[in-house]
Amino acid sequence: AQSVTQLGSHVSVSEGALVLLRCNYSSSVPPYLFWYVQYPNQGLQLLLKYTTGATLVKGINGFEAEFKKSETSFHLTKPSAHMSDAAEYFCAVNTNAGKSTFGDGTTLTVKP
Amino acid sequence: GAGVSQSPRYKVAKRGQDVALRCDPISGHVSLFWYQQALGQGPEFLTYFQNEAQLDKSGLPSDRFFAERPEGSVSTLKIQRTQQEDSAVYLCASSLAQLAGTYEQYFGPGTRLTVT
Repeated sequence: AQSVTQLGSHVSVSEGALVLLRCNYSSSVPPYLFWYVQYPNQGLQLLLKYTTGATLVKGINGFEAEFKKSETSFHLTKPSAHMSDAAEYFCAVNTNAGKSTFGDGTTLTVKP
Repeated sequence: GAGVSQSPRYKVAKRGQDVALRCDPISGHVSLFWYQQALGQGPEFLTYFQNEAQLDKSGLPSDRFFAERPEGSVSTLKIQRTQQEDSAVYLCASSLAQLAGTYEQYFGPGTRLTVT
């Protein structure tokens, strides 16, 4: 069985500040991990993913995430927040077949 | 190229009515997934197709929910005798690979179902 916990349902940062969105997972097999972004009334868009290899993964829009097996974490970061980053972010873990288990999401607010 | 499309985008149904939600995946995508997203929550898996075969329907909440993909392309999620707890956004996603675990899923915009 797989599960995902996103710590903090709401995160607020100032424009230009560091963004840190937390994700912890549990998986009985080596995980495939994903971060998605969802804008209002839109579907989910992939930001980045970890499958194998390098544990620091870079994605679109300046986001990156680091897979830490010992901590069962896959936290999402961005050095400098932009107003356009305001959205809801979902962490997910996949089975081999692609069935995704999602966290409950974190709403990011960016203050001017 | 066209992404995943879903129709209708919004559906209001009276309790007890049947509804059908359509998903047009990206052409050539083998895998197709349906998710249910309740307000303020993450998407929850409903069912998975590989071509026309429904390989996993473990997430369907009751026997009122039925999904099909008869020709391995378009899929329909049908909900019979809708209840208020069925109100949610229904997301469809498709993926190029048969074993889609490491592959990106492309999501449609969803159908927002409101049962009154």
